[in-house]
Amino acid sequence: AQSVTQPDIHITVSEGASLELRCNYSYGATPYLFWYVQSPGQGLQLLLKYFSGDTLVQGIKGFEAEFKRSQSSFNLRKPSVHWSDAAEYFCAVVPGGADGLTFGKGTHLIIQP
Amino acid sequence: DTGVSQNPRHKITKRGQNVTFRCDPISEHNRLYWYRQTLGQGPEFLTYFQNEAQLEKSRLLSDRFSAERPKGSFSTLEIQRTEQGDSAMYLCASSGFSGGHPYEQYFGPGTRLTVT
Repeated sequence: AQSVTQPDIHITVSEGASLELRCNYSYGATPYLFWYVQSPGQGLQLLLKYFSGDTLVQGIKGFEAEFKRSQSSFNLRKPSVHWSDAAEYFCAVVPGGADGLTFGKGTHLIIQP
Repeated sequence: DTGVSQNPRHKITKRGQNVTFRCDPISEHNRLYWYRQTLGQGPEFLTYFQNEAQLEKSRLLSDRFSAERPKGSFSTLEIQRTEQGDSAMYLCASSGFSGGHPYEQYFGPGTRLTVT
């Protein structure tokens, strides 16, 4: 079945440490790929997107993501997290032929002081 | 660019009542989407408009749900005969050629529905 998987439900990282959030998808063709962040009680903010071209994409707030076709992955990274990065992070795809986003279940990021 | 706005932000209703939510997209966007998000889950796609035409509906959109975008600007989502299972956050998003890539969706703050 076509799906988006975020294997980590919760991740705890110390402030200043590096971060990697995992995302895998299972679609036949390369979909469009996105990462969104949601703070408590807030809507979703677009962090970055991949449509084609360079497989390493830069986003807002110092985040980047790398598309790896061979692994069907689009992992999110940040070299040094800040306490304000604590939030829920969602990976999303637009499969070929569709218009709506399909989201993963999200990864809850906790930042330790 | 004032972003996507949604009203109301919160709605509490009794089971069996009808509710209507409004979404105002980013003004230059011609595409509008509705999603539903339950606690601890990612958003789930409900329906999509391009201008005033409703082009895609998820199987999640039961007969009690109806969405409109009469003039290709704002949209409304109505739920008839609400059930407790309808309790969720309803999110609206918009995208468009003039505002960037057509699939680059920007979300509003959502309407939280509680059915008692």
